Amino acid sequence: DAGVIQSPRHEVTEMGQEVTLRCKPISGHDYLFWYRQTMMRGLELLIYFNNNVPIDDSGMPEDRFSAKMPNASFSTLKIQPSEPRDSAVYFCASSSPGLTVYNEQFFGPGTRLTVL
Amino acid sequence: RKEVEQDPGPFNVPEGATVAFNCTYSNSASQSFFWYRQDCRKEPKLLMSVYSSGNEDGRFTAQLNRASQYISLLIRDSKLSDSATYLCVVNMVGPSGGSYIPTFGRGTSLIVHP
Repeated sequence: DAGVIQSPRHEVTEMGQEVTLRCKPISGHDYLFWYRQTMMRGLELLIYFNNNVPIDDSGMPEDRFSAKMPNASFSTLKIQPSEPRDSAVYFCASSSPGLTVYNEQFFGPGTRLTVL
Repeated sequence: RKEVEQDPGPFNVPEGATVAFNCTYSNSASQSFFWYRQDCRKEPKLLMSVYSSGNEDGRFTAQLNRASQYISLLIRDSKLSDSATYLCVVNMVGPSGGSYIPTFGRGTSLIVHP
């Protein structure tokens, strides 16, 4: 299995531009998570999906952030308009069905976003 | 107060040393607990789950103390390759009952030197 795939790996953009991050979870996993990691705040859960349905988006910072999961093999996180304070590493992770509270999360390699 | 707290370190130890990290959590309804390892500029990866009875995996031992609401990780005979950031994760059942909310600590940095 290829693991969780994220693209792009690096993104440099200017303030005000739209940014779209992409994630392909591990096949068969029905939970998908989006995280943001910064030195100041550590790893923060932004939103997660179960069977393509958003379950908890309370971590999404503001209306500039949106996430979708149109099917079981693809999710996007969009920032519009982007701001310098959005600069961070964004991770996507997935986990398998079953007794989900005990399941391991598998992380993608992350997207390093820099907003100038 | 953060829901999951860790000493950021760094813990700087010589090879062969024994080192221990603690992680405290604030929600007594927390359901499951894990330690993840994150190497510099890499993604977090599961190191081990933490069971109520405590568990061991080679040089690594994890303990859970529900009464005091903390988990611990003990590393014996430290290797240079153990240098990394160790993140504790606490999962809590969400308000809907059928979902769970993973909360990560900020991580503890370990540096093992020759």
